[in-house]
Amino acid sequence: GQQLNQSPQSMFIQEGEDVSMNCTSSSIFNTWLWYKQDPGEGPVLLIALYKAGELTSNGRLTAQFGITRKDSFLNISASIPSDVGIYFCAGPSPGNQFYFGTGTSLTVIP
Amino acid sequence: NAGVTQTPKFQVLKTGQSMTLQCAQDMNHEYMSWYRQDPGMGLRLIHYSVGAGITDQGEVPNGYNVSRSTTEDFPLRLLSAAPSQTSVYFCASRAQGYSPLHFGNGTRLTVT
Repeated sequence: GQQLNQSPQSMFIQEGEDVSMNCTSSSIFNTWLWYKQDPGEGPVLLIALYKAGELTSNGRLTAQFGITRKDSFLNISASIPSDVGIYFCAGPSPGNQFYFGTGTSLTVIP
Repeated sequence: NAGVTQTPKFQVLKTGQSMTLQCAQDMNHEYMSWYRQDPGMGLRLIHYSVGAGITDQGEVPNGYNVSRSTTEDFPLRLLSAAPSQTSVYFCASRAQGYSPLHFGNGTRLTVT
């Protein structure tokens, strides 16, 4: 299947710090999605990106669709305890099936 | 406002037993899919359906069957459970094209 490399694998940060994570693909995507998963729940969509170079914000979250179309970035500013969770990137295969990265586990220390 | 509903939330099976994981959505989405989530592996696609009567295999289909008789329901069947199928299973649906997936809250399955 499609390889989506997500980094870092885990992060431990102090409350108030900014967070950056990224996702790279071995092939070109025309859509990038970022999801967050809270413990015991299903992933929830944070941001969807549909155009190379696009920069989209959702509150303290900002995501960018890389201009090469093979990568995407997610930034969280001024982290708070409820930002804790696993963040996944996802993109569609040519057959329109979504593949997911292995996730970035975020821990926010109060 | 139910979205995607999965039942049961938890299940323990013995090796060789069969069971069906239920998934229903009320958003009139044509596309539905099943993923399994294992530590360090992310979400891997098991089977998917692009509409009633149409199903296809994903990355890891072995040991699982699906059917899609209605737009709303997409059950996942384990005919003879194996310990390797211990995982968290997520059902997801979406509208046409590259619309984002909407997930259920998962079924945690343990096979002993």
